[in-house]
Formats: sequence, C-alpha cells, structure tokens
Amino acid sequence: DAGITQSPRHKVTETGTPVTLRCHQTENHRYMYWYRQDPGHGLRLIHYSYGVKDTDKGEVSDGYSVSRSKTEDFLLTLESATSSQTSVYFCAITRGGTGELFFGEGSRLTVL
Amino acid sequence: DAKTTQPTSMDCAEGRAANLPCNHSTISGNEYVYWYRQIHSQGPQYIIHGLKNNETNEMASLIITEDRKSSTLILPHATLRDTAVYYCIVSFSDSWGKFQFGAGTQVVVTP
Repeated sequence: DAGITQSPRHKVTETGTPVTLRCHQTENHRYMYWYRQDPGHGLRLIHYSYGVKDTDKGEVSDGYSVSRSKTEDFLLTLESATSSQTSVYFCAITRGGTGELFFGEGSRLTVL
Repeated sequence: DAKTTQPTSMDCAEGRAANLPCNHSTISGNEYVYWYRQIHSQGPQYIIHGLKNNETNEMASLIITEDRKSSTLILPHATLRDTAVYYCIVSFSDSWGKFQFGAGTQVVVTP
C-alpha cells in the first residue's frame, strides 16, 4: 500500500459535462502519474507530474488537463467529457530510487 | 523505449513453477527490465526489475540473458492468486513511471 487514494471510484456522467478525478497520496512522493486503461489498448500514460505545479503530457493527453497545487494531490480534469473517455483511470506514484510504480485502485468513468 | 514481445497467454498448474518469457531484442544498454502484474480490475502491481544481473525477491526471480535480448520471470510455486496479466516493460532509468505497457501475458493458474 503506497498511501494512494483515488476519488471518485465510480462515476457516470453525460457527454459535455466536466469531470475531475482526484489522486491523493500521503507519503510526500514527488512523481505522480495518470494512466487510462481500455480493452485492446492496455495502460496508456495521460499526464504526469514531477512536483508542485510541474506537469507534462503523456501519450494520450488530448482532452485532459491536470493540476498539482499541493504535493499530495494530483487532479485530472476532463473539461468536456466524451464517450471515448469512458475508461478506467489509474493514478500512480514512484517511490524511492528505483522507478517502481505503485498504483491506486482505479476510477471507473462512464460517459453516456 | 524498447518494445517487448510476450506470449498472449499461458497456463500453469498450481504448485509448479511458472516461467514467463519476454523478448526485448532492441533493448539499449542502460534500459531496465521491469515486470508488473495486474489482477482483474485492480491496479498493476510491481514485481521485480533488473538491468543485467539476475534478480530475486520474495515474489519472483528475473533471469536476463547475457545479451539482454530476452528475459524470463519465474514464479517458483504458482498459486491460484497468481492468476493475472503479467507485463514486461523496458525503460530508461530517467523515464521512471513513463512506461509503455503492452498487452502482457494472461497467466491462468489451475488447481
């Protein structure tokens, strides 16, 4: 357990509405990541952060924005949700000096 | 980052060793080999990683060939709880966390 909490764990929303997913960590890790997982595509990196206010794009960042105003929170926002963003979203941190990723339990988002 | 090739699926009998192969023929000299697994609907779980030498921890052993073009993850005594998708990833040390997960190998452990 790496002290990662994702919220909400499940959400159903309608196309065009804004959605924010929260990743909260309790161990003061510097690096945090958002991945999405879809059948046939595996896990893909959306955005990552290497410190407060320091973020960068991953492989599939279009349609997503992130913010990190505090070390412990990394927010993923869908400004206007689309059906193609229906997915399971995983937050992760790296701990220590080995690059090991530790994942949260996931947030299942359904966009109708 | 180098790409990896893994078998789509494999079965293993409970109590036997499970040997999961991974091909990474284009790996660079300073790329690490990481193994993760994902039990249904949970977040992926780190298993082990290595650079050149074989590695062992409480979960598994990692055998890397001398030319580093392939590796094998060994689960010494598979249990039903080891049923999962296993991912082999290669990554530079400065790309921590920015992994490219492929399709992995679906391992089913049977009684």
